[in-house]
Amino acid sequence: SAVISQKPSRDICQRGTSLTIQCQVDSQVTMMFWYRQQPGQSLTLIATANQGSEATYESGFVIDKFPISRPNLTFSTLTVSNMSPEDSSIYLCSVVGTGIHEQYFGPGTRLTVT
Amino acid sequence: GQNIDQPTEMTATEGAIVQINCTYQTSGFNGLFWYQQHAGEAPTFLSYNVLDGLEEKGRFSSFLSRSKGYSYLLLKELQMKDSASYLCAVVLTNTDKLIFGTGTRLQVFP
Repeated sequence: SAVISQKPSRDICQRGTSLTIQCQVDSQVTMMFWYRQQPGQSLTLIATANQGSEATYESGFVIDKFPISRPNLTFSTLTVSNMSPEDSSIYLCSVVGTGIHEQYFGPGTRLTVT
Repeated sequence: GQNIDQPTEMTATEGAIVQINCTYQTSGFNGLFWYQQHAGEAPTFLSYNVLDGLEEKGRFSSFLSRSKGYSYLLLKELQMKDSASYLCAVVLTNTDKLIFGTGTRLQVFP
């Protein structure tokens, strides 16, 4: 299984600012995803982070608000831009392992916007 | 659109058996995952079903009926540490994207 780390683990940010979350994997992976989990809710897919090209966003999520980088097969960043209290969530990255449809999650970044 | 439903909350007693249901209507289907998530932690993999039938793994079993759009997770010999949220997630066709259900919060009482 892949070992995934995220930075920061948590942060408290002011309205209108931006935060960049890093996701690092201990091995090369083809597929990386970013999810959001709002308080008391299940996970919602934000986008697929594509290596060397623009991320693919799900309905309701746009690049201007959630720019994503994927410079190589082990690293990705998600930026939450111009934050509002509604962006307070846990943000998780996930990767697909070498087995059939194995998918693992990072520990998450708990974001609070005041 | 995609629709995956689970009961919101369930309670059970230590040592008992509990079944958590998941029904889905999605634009494609390439398998179904069950994850366990303790409060404040990331989801951890429990099972993956792509063919109809029952998959057993220790105290946990997962069942799938593709024709009915239905799955369940069966937890036997419940322990206090099984108190957690249980998430079912459908893999869409030709992708590795997971669409998650609403999640079921299970509380196990002594």
